[in-house]
Amino acid sequence: QKEVEQNSGPLSVPEGAIASLNCTYSDRGSQSFFWYRQYSGKSPELIMSIYSNGDKEDGRFTAQLNKASQYVSLLIRDSQPSDSATYLCAVSFNFGNEKLTFGTGTRLTIIP
Amino acid sequence: EAGVTQFPSHSVIEKGQTVTLRCDPISGHDNLYWYRRVMGKEIKFLLHFVKESKQDESGMPNNRFLAERTGGTYSTLKVQPAELEDSGVYFCASSQVRGYEQYFGPGTRLTVT
Repeated sequence: QKEVEQNSGPLSVPEGAIASLNCTYSDRGSQSFFWYRQYSGKSPELIMSIYSNGDKEDGRFTAQLNKASQYVSLLIRDSQPSDSATYLCAVSFNFGNEKLTFGTGTRLTIIP
Repeated sequence: EAGVTQFPSHSVIEKGQTVTLRCDPISGHDNLYWYRRVMGKEIKFLLHFVKESKQDESGMPNNRFLAERTGGTYSTLKVQPAELEDSGVYFCASSQVRGYEQYFGPGTRLTVT
């Protein structure tokens, strides 16, 4: 079982719709959760971080965390063609073990 | 505020040669991380510096890899001698607070032929 699992996609969503990206993790001790966006040939760009159960909203992005289910998700509202990218889920522990463990990423395509 | 920078952006070397990658973190970020992505795989952790000290080097694949961070500023990652399986994209990231957001540089694409 992989430590961080994501559906590789591709996930196709019509422009203006909500894109839903999911991630599960195996280690219950994980404390910090991140979503990165990566365009082809570019570096990962941090778009959301979440540390406690519940929802966190930032503009069109909402991160959702459920530690009991070991599940973190990213919702993108009003999807735009510029949102087409690979989305990486990453988790870490806190102080003392902060290395990020990444999933393989979900490729998202927004269809105009 | 300038982001994380890496040099070179690309490097092509022959098996057995030496390559040195450089990373300049965001100013004021004491925490510096190296990661690597080989083709078809997820990004994997290599090591973590806090200032000039190695905090965690559990991800370093073998002793052909040597990382340094002189004076707690920029870092170098040397591969000597390079092997074919070292090919991939090497990313550097930095963070201001341990355990929180890490910001990635553009990466160095290393090709060993």
